[in-house]
Amino acid sequence: DSGVTQTPKHLITATGQRVTLRCSPRSGDLSVYWYQQSLDQGLQFLIQYYNGEERAKGNILERFSAQQFPDLHSELNLSSLELGDSALYFCASSVVGGGFSYNEQFFGPGTRLTVL
Amino acid sequence: KNQVEQSPQSLIILEGKNCTLQCNYTVSPFSNLRWYKQDTGRGPVSLTIMTFSENTKSNGRYTATLDADTKQSSLHITASQLSDSASYICVVSTGGGADGLTFGKGTHLIIQP
Repeated sequence: DSGVTQTPKHLITATGQRVTLRCSPRSGDLSVYWYQQSLDQGLQFLIQYYNGEERAKGNILERFSAQQFPDLHSELNLSSLELGDSALYFCASSVVGGGFSYNEQFFGPGTRLTVL
Repeated sequence: KNQVEQSPQSLIILEGKNCTLQCNYTVSPFSNLRWYKQDTGRGPVSLTIMTFSENTKSNGRYTATLDADTKQSSLHITASQLSDSASYICVVSTGGGADGLTFGKGTHLIIQP
């Protein structure tokens, strides 16, 4: 158990809908990262927040947005869902938010999103 | 464009045997390389991390090597166990933020009894 929690574990929804994924980082971690993992793409970095502020952006679609709240939990909002958005969404957390060098990221168990 | 290529895509070996997974990268500038183990349906777990000056790093039965000149890394698993069945992902960092990470697609390893 990494100490990172994600809810829900599974989510099934229809195209065009909007969903919110939630992540609680490890106690003491200030940074939260969101990743998407689909079968044919591998892990794709979406976005990083550090202490409430956006720190880095990856291949995140405009239909997707995220935020980190004062209690450091984070939410990933996915809207106008398409079939291709079906994937595992992982949240990771780390103590600091700077370079990745020895900045160990701890991954949550993921949310499996299925868009029908 | 920064890329990380892993081979083989999948591998099946018998329990107790050794195996080696490969990672070739074209990431610049290079800061560090990390190997993750990901069990099916679970989040990745870090096995090793190596910087430019390190060429070998061990974690139990897992030994990673790095050749920064040829831009190649390998992960060697000794005396495989059924619990080693997982995907192994190579990640290379430019040392900046998380947007400086390049992920390989992973090698899917199956250990048969």
